[in-house]
Amino acid sequence: AQKVTQAQTEISVVEKEDVTLDCVYETRDTTYYLFWYKQPPSGELVFLIRRNSFDEQNEISGRYSWNFQKSTSSFNFTITASQVVDSAVYFCALRASGTYKYIFGTGTRLKVLA
Amino acid sequence: DADVTQTPRNRITKTGKRIMLECSQTKGHDRMYWYRQDPGLGLRLIYYSFDVKDINKGEISDGYSVSRQAQAKFSLSLESAIPNQTALYFCATSDSSPKRNSYEQYFGPGTRLTVT
Repeated sequence: AQKVTQAQTEISVVEKEDVTLDCVYETRDTTYYLFWYKQPPSGELVFLIRRNSFDEQNEISGRYSWNFQKSTSSFNFTITASQVVDSAVYFCALRASGTYKYIFGTGTRLKVLA
Repeated sequence: DADVTQTPRNRITKTGKRIMLECSQTKGHDRMYWYRQDPGLGLRLIYYSFDVKDINKGEISDGYSVSRQAQAKFSLSLESAIPNQTALYFCATSDSSPKRNSYEQYFGPGTRLTVT
């Protein structure tokens, strides 16, 4: 069975604080893909990053960074120096190779307070 | 212009009415999906289509039907709407081309449907 768990339902931080959003996944497949999406208050879903299971390099994009650890089945997302515009619901998702199905977590609502 | 568009963006309808949600894409992707989002439940797959002649049920297809009119168009119908179909509906696309090795989905802006 495949599963994505985002245990943090809601997080509130003050602007400029760093924040990490957790994502834990379960899959028996050896090849799979992990994703993060952002859903701002306007409602659209914005693709942020994809990580392949065979590529464990962490990635940094501006204030965003992702830590992929196969040993703990985690794909965590850190925002450095958070800003009010980062306020959104963030979804982690999993897709196994050769399948059609994308498994989404239930999302973490991040509130960044000015 | 947006790569994935959905119409209408908002709709209020009455129980028992038939309603169609439309999705168009200019990304040239072969795969298209319909999801619904409910608070606290994340996204759940309703139907997906790998090409015009390949349509499949997702995990919550009861009460819904779809039509893939062209590679770029994928419509979702509620034959007889009921209040618990009130939700935010998303269309998404992805590219199965092995050359691109991408697999991420791209979403439309969503349709907020309210059934009274």
